[in-house]
Amino acid sequence: KNQVEQSPQSLIILEGKNCTLQCNYTVSPFSNLRWYKQDTGRGPVSLTIMTFSENTKSNGRYTATLDADTKQSSLHITASQLSDSASYICVVSVHAGGTSYGKLTFGQGTILTVHP
Amino acid sequence: ETGVTQTPRHLVMGMTNKKSLKCEQHLGHNAMYWYKQSAKKPLELMFVYNFKEQTENNSVPSRFSPECPNSSHLFLHLHTLQPEDSALYLCASSQAFGTMPYEQYFGPGTRLTVT
Repeated sequence: KNQVEQSPQSLIILEGKNCTLQCNYTVSPFSNLRWYKQDTGRGPVSLTIMTFSENTKSNGRYTATLDADTKQSSLHITASQLSDSASYICVVSVHAGGTSYGKLTFGQGTILTVHP
Repeated sequence: ETGVTQTPRHLVMGMTNKKSLKCEQHLGHNAMYWYKQSAKKPLELMFVYNFKEQTENNSVPSRFSPECPNSSHLFLHLHTLQPEDSALYLCASSQAFGTMPYEQYFGPGTRLTVT
């Protein structure tokens, strides 16, 4: 069964500190892995997308890593800001034959709270 | 604000009511999606439309009825819902051809409460 598991479920850090969120998946055949940020009451917004050939990708203070061998990914946030408080969702896409979009399997998300 | 809009943002309805959710994308995409997000659960894909044709129905109960009149608009018609249908309903859109992977752009969602 295709699954995406994220840890921790929630995390509280002080403003200015760094943090790392984890994602483990058992999705096959793997196509790509995405990290989304979802603010409370809003839709998810994409941070990064990585295919199997990419092992790191950055978007500002966000850096995602991918180890396709161990089926693990991490999202590292540097110098956190209050606006980073949100849910971070790991999503893995499966090759889905003739479908043009690929099937997405969503993790439950990690709720990050940044305190001043 | 993203290029995907959803109305209404909040909806409270009784179990015998009929209502519709609307989604509109201004990104020139050809694929549109409905997702359900319940508290403390991962997003669940409900329906997918490619070029106005439904290509995915993820075992969704018939009390949810999608409609896609063109590539820019997507509706979700609701009738005789149950309290467990209360959730955030998200619409998304993406390209349907060209270089993969296709980025999905989400709307802000409709917060639905069934009483």
